[in-house]
Amino acid sequence: AQSVTQLGSHVSVSEGALVLLRCNYSSSVPPYLFWYVQYPNQGLQLLLKYTTGATLVKGINGFEAEFKKSETSFHLTKPSAHMSDAAEYFCAVRGTSSASKIIFGSGTRLSIRP
Amino acid sequence: GAGVSQTPSNKVTEKGKYVELRCDPISGHTALYWYRQSLGQGPEFLIYFQGTGAADDSGLPNDRFFAVRPEGSVSTLKIQRTERGDSAVYLCASSLGQINTGELFFGEGSRLTVL
Repeated sequence: AQSVTQLGSHVSVSEGALVLLRCNYSSSVPPYLFWYVQYPNQGLQLLLKYTTGATLVKGINGFEAEFKKSETSFHLTKPSAHMSDAAEYFCAVRGTSSASKIIFGSGTRLSIRP
Repeated sequence: GAGVSQTPSNKVTEKGKYVELRCDPISGHTALYWYRQSLGQGPEFLIYFQGTGAADDSGLPNDRFFAVRPEGSVSTLKIQRTERGDSAVYLCASSLGQINTGELFFGEGSRLTVL
């Protein structure tokens, strides 16, 4: 079984500051890991994903995440926040079986201060 | 458009009524998921179809909830005897299925309000 825990339901940073959104996962098999973003009044869209290979993955809009097996973490970062980054961010996990469902965390709302 | 389409976008109903929510996935996507999202929460898994069959329906909360995908494309989520606690946004997503690493493409959701 898989699960994810997102630490911090709300994160607020200043424009230009580092963004760090935390995600820890639990999985009995090697996981696939995802970050999705939900802008106000829009559907969820994929930000980035880790499947196999390089543990540092880059996504859209300057975001990246690093898979750390020893820490069971997949934290999302962006060096410099922009006002347009304000949104809800969801970490998600699935197993590598084609029959595996995708499980989402409870989300972290990112606010950007001018 | 080429994205996942969900109808209706909004549905207001009275407690005890029957509701159907429709999802039209991206053409060629064999996998289809239903999730439920309550205010301030992440998407909660309900059911997952691979083709016409339900590969995993472990997230359906009780027997009032049922979903079908008779031809392996459009899916309908059916809720009987609705309760106020069923109020949420119901999300549908599709993916390429077995050959895919799991990237889901979401619709904008159907907001259900049970009065």
